[in-house]
Amino acid sequence: DTAVSQTPKYLVTQMGNDKSIKCEQNLGHDTMYWYKQDSKKFLKIMFSYNNKELIINETVPNRFSPKSPDKAHLNLHINSLELGDSAVYFCASRDGNSPLHFGNGTRLTVT
Amino acid sequence: LAKTTQPISMDSYEGQEVNITCSHNNIATNDYITWYQQFPSQGPRFIIQGYKTKVTNEVASLFIPADRKSSTLSLPRVSLSDTAVYYCLVGDGDSSYKLIFGSGTRLLVRP
Repeated sequence: DTAVSQTPKYLVTQMGNDKSIKCEQNLGHDTMYWYKQDSKKFLKIMFSYNNKELIINETVPNRFSPKSPDKAHLNLHINSLELGDSAVYFCASRDGNSPLHFGNGTRLTVT
Repeated sequence: LAKTTQPISMDSYEGQEVNITCSHNNIATNDYITWYQQFPSQGPRFIIQGYKTKVTNEVASLFIPADRKSSTLSLPRVSLSDTAVYYCLVGDGDSSYKLIFGSGTRLLVRP
């Protein structure tokens, strides 16, 4: 009964490829997020969706395209992968001002 | 844009109390200040949140002064299993949907 689940857990791919990361939450939350954690462990907000509407796009390159087919899902598609995209990507969700609930992350390695 | 500052690292010994402070300005006036714990290969895990003054739960206390420009996480009697990275999280003053993490404090608890 995982609250926020991400797939895959690990993703290894070559530069120039296109890949997707999926996220689902079963908490009934209205707001979902994507965060990127770099090698220095900084957690940087990328996107936020509220009720399937994009409300935060934190100057992320347009190679990254989030898609929210419904309130429970927020997927992240990345085109033309670059070395600098290697990181751990975390999905999270919340309702109102409740605490963020995080998935366990997807470790993306671009070679 | 909200700015946050945390110490990079702290050392402690088992049984001691540990206080970690996060400085933050231009934060959302209508949102909580939240603290998270992160172990390697896991997503951030909620510890405690508060709005003003002091909040206590079964694992920690959180002190927030009236001006809300800082917050202090207090971990009583730490154990080896408290070795982790601790992050503060605040809402941005310009958009409360934009949740900004501090840079994280790596706590090492020694026997």
